[in-house]
Amino acid sequence: SYDLTQPPSVSVSPGQTASITCSGEKLGDKYASWYQQMPGQSPVLVIYQDSKRPSGIPERFSGSNSGNTATLTISGTQAVDEADYYCQALDRSVVVFGGGTKLTVL
Amino acid sequence: QVQLQESGPGLVKPSETLSLTCGVSGYSISSGYYWGWIRQPPGKGLEWIGNMYHSGSTYYNPSLKSRVTISVDTSKNQFSLKLTSVTAADTAVYYCARVPADDITGLSPYHFDYWGRGTLVTVSS
Repeated sequence: SYDLTQPPSVSVSPGQTASITCSGEKLGDKYASWYQQMPGQSPVLVIYQDSKRPSGIPERFSGSNSGNTATLTISGTQAVDEADYYCQALDRSVVVFGGGTKLTVL
Repeated sequence: QVQLQESGPGLVKPSETLSLTCGVSGYSISSGYYWGWIRQPPGKGLEWIGNMYHSGSTYYNPSLKSRVTISVDTSKNQFSLKLTSVTAADTAVYYCARVPADDITGLSPYHFDYWGRGTLVTVSS
């Protein structure tokens, strides 16, 4: 089965840049998506097709995907960005989620 | 605005069948796209259960495939999940969601753009 690996936690200071990685075999050959989940809320799509932002998602959210790693970058991180983040990809018609990363804004 | 709403029993007994329905508004399921179910055990990550194309073709998580059935009722603009022989490990918040794609081969982007609010299903006697 295909696996996506994320760091369990990432910490960042307000105003700094946060990077959350997602690793999988030849992930760069697939389309990566990212979801933000606040406590008690449904996941929200923040990046799709590796680097595209849905309408309403702030420009500080960006994404990239190459080789075996997709990266979600949050520039000028704000306290409101503190949440769990999940990557997702499709492998042979099977949807796979990463284990999730808790972003803490200290 | 597309909206999805899960409904169904919040408590299911072990060995019985979990049944949930996802009502869709703002978009006609028969128009296209994939529709799926995702679950999240308390305090844990997201787990994909399965997806269904508007025409009825289904794709399931291999680890759940033997127990899962997803079906569609286009007349009511809703789709459903059935999970048989449940155990405590099936206790989770269950979400339904839409995939704005008509291709599951991986040649096109495949992501969930609209999600329901989720419903907690507890498996307990």
